Amino acid sequence: LAKTTQPISMDSYEGQEVNITCSHNNIATNDYITWYQQFPSQGPRFIIQGYKTKVTNEVASLFIPADRKSSTLSLPRVSLSDTAVYYCLVDDYKLSFGAGTTVTVRA
Amino acid sequence: GAVVSQHPSWVICKSGTSVKIECRSLDFQATTMFWYRQFPKQSLMLMATSNEGSKATYEQGVEKDKFLINHASLTLSTLTVTSAHPEDSSFYICSARVGQVNSPLHFGNGTRLTVT
Repeated sequence: LAKTTQPISMDSYEGQEVNITCSHNNIATNDYITWYQQFPSQGPRFIIQGYKTKVTNEVASLFIPADRKSSTLSLPRVSLSDTAVYYCLVDDYKLSFGAGTTVTVRA
Repeated sequence: GAVVSQHPSWVICKSGTSVKIECRSLDFQATTMFWYRQFPKQSLMLMATSNEGSKATYEQGVEKDKFLINHASLTLSTLTVTSAHPEDSSFYICSARVGQVNSPLHFGNGTRLTVT
């Protein structure tokens, strides 16, 4: 059962890159890593998913080292609308969300 | 993209009454849906896994007789909070996957339940 650990909060400014690292030491061989974004009073929204190395889509990049014990979500050039809680989820059978990281973007 | 719809988005009920929350997969079939509960400033807690045509699987500490789950079709799962009390006030969110086991979860927009 993989437990995830993330920083509780991060502050940034518009236009900067934000990197959030999640630790998941007990990740199993078949588990994928998925990141979600949640705004207040809304359901989480899928951002990106990966298994190893690097994955990039139109909104973010995900870096996963060879040992897969951590992963880093990279949000390029954030804007005020990126202020949200970000969760990494190790997709095992328990689907347990960690505490998440509150990212606050300031002007 | 895959859409999961929840209804209602918010509901206020009196203590002792029951409330039903619907979760629909609009453009895909979901043999499995997941129900989460989220208290203010806290993370999502998995309550139960809803399986089409069979009984739901509840997480430890979740009362199955209080939180009744029915998954009667491939596109609809319902959560009924029976004999609701103020401590049941929370944000309830359902989710489902499209396709294989490791595919991302798609979440509904949640239901804010307030029990007075």
